[in-house]
Amino acid sequence: GESVGLHLPTLSVQEGDNSIINCAYSNSASDYFIWYKQESGKGPQFIIDIRSNMDKRQGQRVTVLLNKTVKHLSLQIAATQPGDSAVYFCAENMGRDDKIIFGKGTRLHILP
Amino acid sequence: NAGVTQTPKFRILKIGQSMTLQCTQDMNHNYMYWYRQDPGMGLKLIYYSVGAGITDKGEVPNGYNVSRSTTEDFPLRLELAAPSQTSVYFCASRIRGGKSSYEQYFGPGTRLTVT
Repeated sequence: GESVGLHLPTLSVQEGDNSIINCAYSNSASDYFIWYKQESGKGPQFIIDIRSNMDKRQGQRVTVLLNKTVKHLSLQIAATQPGDSAVYFCAENMGRDDKIIFGKGTRLHILP
Repeated sequence: NAGVTQTPKFRILKIGQSMTLQCTQDMNHNYMYWYRQDPGMGLKLIYYSVGAGITDKGEVPNGYNVSRSTTEDFPLRLELAAPSQTSVYFCASRIRGGKSSYEQYFGPGTRLTVT
């Protein structure tokens, strides 16, 4: 597949441990925040989203936390598995403009 | 449903040539998007559309044009290809409302090289 993730920061996590991937955003008017997973050679795949009036949302094995005070978003993955190895992107919906802008990604590397 | 389909999968263009990247979705989604992803980098929004007949610029629209004459199709046109347009192009769609309002469905991408 293409070289997704070569210039992106890497987080290395032991298999079975929890992973925390962080993201900073800049637009106070954004009303939704989204996390995507991109495996090598594929398009991004939706994981979970959170509305700006919430501070936490849980999915299957994932939790997203939103701190609007410091404009910070995090994705927590419980009991990390080899299949979680990918590049993770946060994205934000720019309010009434309805355009979804991606942030910088993080490559998650799973150690055996 | 086939989801979001993109053609071609690969293309090599000479500088100055033109081409259209095709994108079709069969999910009756209102919103459609074009992104580009340079090697080892994140995704940049080129153009997007909130419905047939409506398009708007994203972060990096220069050198591209789009049209949205139907709900299903959202072609991206490159008029005068430049080496800086070498990238992987992703098309995405989403429906307004629904359980996960901001879930975009992405196509497999078109890898374009301009030499």
